[in-house]
Amino acid sequence: KQEVTQIPAALSVPEGENLVLNCSFTDSAIYNLQWFRQDPGKGLTSLLLIQSSQREQTSGRLNASLDKSSGRSTLYIAASQPGDSATYLCAVNPRKAAGNKLTFGGGTRVLVKP
Amino acid sequence: DTGVSQDPRHKITKRGQNVTFRCDPISEHNRLYWYRQTLGQGPEFLTYFQNEAQLEKSRLLSDRFSAERPKGSFSTLEIQRTEQGDSAMYLCASRDIRDSPLHFGNGTRLTVT
Repeated sequence: KQEVTQIPAALSVPEGENLVLNCSFTDSAIYNLQWFRQDPGKGLTSLLLIQSSQREQTSGRLNASLDKSSGRSTLYIAASQPGDSATYLCAVNPRKAAGNKLTFGGGTRVLVKP
Repeated sequence: DTGVSQDPRHKITKRGQNVTFRCDPISEHNRLYWYRQTLGQGPEFLTYFQNEAQLEKSRLLSDRFSAERPKGSFSTLEIQRTEQGDSAMYLCASRDIRDSPLHFGNGTRLTVT
């Protein structure tokens, strides 16, 4: 059974510092991995999708890497801003699951202090 | 592309009552998912539709829960005889093919008193 872990559960940084968020998964047989942002009381906003054949994806200040063999992904957010405060979730799309339903980590709650 | 739409945004109900939520996926997305999220946790899979066919249900989906997707467009999730433990955010998501990004709605927050 695929398990996804995000450590730390919470992170607080001063504005301008780079953020490094970690995600680990137990089964490397995945189609892709997706990073989401969730604001309090809201749904999930897709940030980046990395296919299993890719090593990284970039969008603006965001960069996500994937090391499938070691079961790890990292989301980097450069020059953090208070508006980046949110919960960040990673989810894997496993090959072995019917319907390719995503399996989520518990999230990392980020606070960027001005 | 107007995004995934869920209705209502919030629902407060008394224990024992029935509730129904609606999800309108992105048009032409044939895959639709329901997830449940409790405070401080990641979303947990409930059920999955491909077009109108419900292809998988989680063991989290007790017999009090039922989901439909008539005509392969919008979907409804009904909870009968609600319990306090049903209080959660119910999220709907859709995508077109199996390795494309999953798009979520803003969810329906259910509070059972």
